[in-house]
Amino acid sequence: AQKITQTQPGMFVQEKEAVTLDCTYDTSDPSYGLFWYKQPSSGEMIFLIYQGSYDQQNATEGRYSLNFQKARKSANLVISASQLGDSAMYFCAMRENSGYSTLTFGKGTMLLVSP
Amino acid sequence: DARVTQTPRDKVTEMGQEVTMRCQPILGHNTVFWYRQTMMQGLELLAYFRNRAPLDDSGMPKDRFSAEMPDATLATLKIQPSEPRDSAVYFCASGSGSSYNEQFFGPGTRLTVL
Repeated sequence: AQKITQTQPGMFVQEKEAVTLDCTYDTSDPSYGLFWYKQPSSGEMIFLIYQGSYDQQNATEGRYSLNFQKARKSANLVISASQLGDSAMYFCAMRENSGYSTLTFGKGTMLLVSP
Repeated sequence: DARVTQTPRDKVTEMGQEVTMRCQPILGHNTVFWYRQTMMQGLELLAYFRNRAPLDDSGMPKDRFSAEMPDATLATLKIQPSEPRDSAVYFCASGSGSSYNEQFFGPGTRLTVL
């Protein structure tokens, strides 16, 4: 079974609107971390936001917020006020604390922001 | 501005040739990861080092791939002999081993094996 599932291969949003990118995960480890990375067309992987499984509040970083619903095992990324520069691939990833510090990535969602 | 560096950025080679990719982790980081990205498989972990010791290389084809850290400032990934199916982008990432465990990625090496 996949540990990280991103069901949206592609998403379209207009500039200045908010968009939610979905991510569900599967783990039996009580302690884990969830990450979102952005990969623009230039190819580099850019860290966006982190949520720990024991964090009481949803993580926020500027225009990025993580809608963490532990019981549903979902960790959706919300981008508010989309900008043209947000067009990129977005990857959700998980690190399970019982193992090594490695990340398991989802297949990604391509986000296109239009003017 | 500390960054992970990787060389070469692009490599085109012929099947059967040896390929060596290099990575300089962020100074002070004690964990290094090698990932491979393809359209079909997405991002896959190949190898993981902590304090220069290999902890997990189960994702790496052992017959042709090898990963080493000769010192704390250099990690290498070698493919010998290379095959067309090895064509991919290879990322190196480093981390500080803190509880946060954020991984900082290098720009990647785009490998094309003809």
